[in-house]
This record gives sequence, structure tokens and C-alpha cells, in this order.
Amino acid sequence: DAKTTQPTSMDCAEGRAANLPCNHSTISGNEYVYWYRQIHSQGPQYIIHGLKNNETNEMASLIITEDRKSSTLILPHATLRDTAVYYCIVLAYSGAGSYQLTFGKGTKLSVIP
Amino acid sequence: NAGVTQTPKFQVLKTGQSMTLQCAQDMNHEYMSWYRQDPGMGLRLIHYSVGAGITDQGEVPNGYNVSRSTTEDFPLRLLSAAPSQTSVYFCASRTSGGPYEQYFGPGTRLTVT
Repeated sequence: DAKTTQPTSMDCAEGRAANLPCNHSTISGNEYVYWYRQIHSQGPQYIIHGLKNNETNEMASLIITEDRKSSTLILPHATLRDTAVYYCIVLAYSGAGSYQLTFGKGTKLSVIP
Repeated sequence: NAGVTQTPKFQVLKTGQSMTLQCAQDMNHEYMSWYRQDPGMGLRLIHYSVGAGITDQGEVPNGYNVSRSTTEDFPLRLLSAAPSQTSVYFCASRTSGGPYEQYFGPGTRLTVT
């Protein structure tokens, strides 16, 4: 399984873009990068995922480097409600079509008024 | 859709007691799983199921049993509760096959005294 490295914590001013980095230097060619977040001990919430290309949805953008060894999650206009722990996960396939999400400690993002 | 529901929200047990945490989903997802989250830590996989009648162990299965008699329900049984099982438990589900997003329940906060 490819491991991920994220900063322990980050601050972002309200209204500014939040850029959350993730290193996954041992990622394999068929492994996806997923981002989830967890707001104040609620159940984790899916944000976005990608393989090679940059991806964008209504919540965020995911920028994956050409060598796929790192990625950045971008929240374009952070609000106080975006304060959460953000998990970068590399999807490891195991067994007959099954695969498991492995959560690390993530990055605690604090959005400051 | 109610999504993934968990009951109870809170539970206090004495050491040695048994109980079942309930999890249900109404999205017709084949894959369901249970995680535990200890304070300040990421989520760890306990057990998972890829369909009715099929279950498998995750990272930390000891002390827990699961069964999957229907697509909708995936209960987690604590056989003989121990203080080390004090944690927040999350149930999750997703569609099998592709790299799809996983949906999490709100969690059950369990304290074993």
C-alpha cells in the first residue's frame, strides 16, 4: 500500500483558498488518490478522488503532479464550516475486487475568521 | 434516502457485557464496513463485507463479530466488552467494483467502564 504524508495542521483565512498538500511517492499506476474530511467527530465525508488528471467538483479541486508522487486539495473559498481534519488516502486494491480505505491522521485545517 | 444509519448514538457498558451496534443503509450498496476511531487517531478497519453472507477481517478484528444476512444491515457484536474497546465506531457503505466514494454513518460513541 502506498503511504501518504500530510502536515499535521494548517491555518487558512476565511474566504481565501485552502491548499492542502499530500505526498504519496510510492503510489502505483493503478492507485487512486482520495480525499475525505471529518468535521468535529462526525462520520468522514467524501470530497473528491482522481487517478492522473486534475479533478474538480462542487466542493474542491484536486491537483495531481505529473509524476503522481504528490497532490494538493484546493478549497477555493474556505469558510468556517470547512474547519475539519482532511485525510488523503491512496486506494489499495486487495482481493477479488475489494479494496479498503486506510486512514492516517490527516491534516487539521482551521479556518480563521 | 436516509443513507447510513447507526444505533445507538451513545452507549456505556461494563467490562464483560456484550452488545450489538446496529448499522443499516438504504442505498443498495454491496460493500459495508466497520471502523473504530480512538481519540486523536485515524480510523481503523474492524470488519468488512462485500455482500450478503460474505464477511472478512480488517486491521483490528479481535473482540468483534459481524454477520451480513441482508444487503441492508451489517451489525457489529462486541462479545465481552473491554475498556480498550472504548471508542467511536463508524459504519460505512459503498457500491462494489469501481473506485466509488464511501458513505459513513454518524457514529456510535461507546464507553466501557
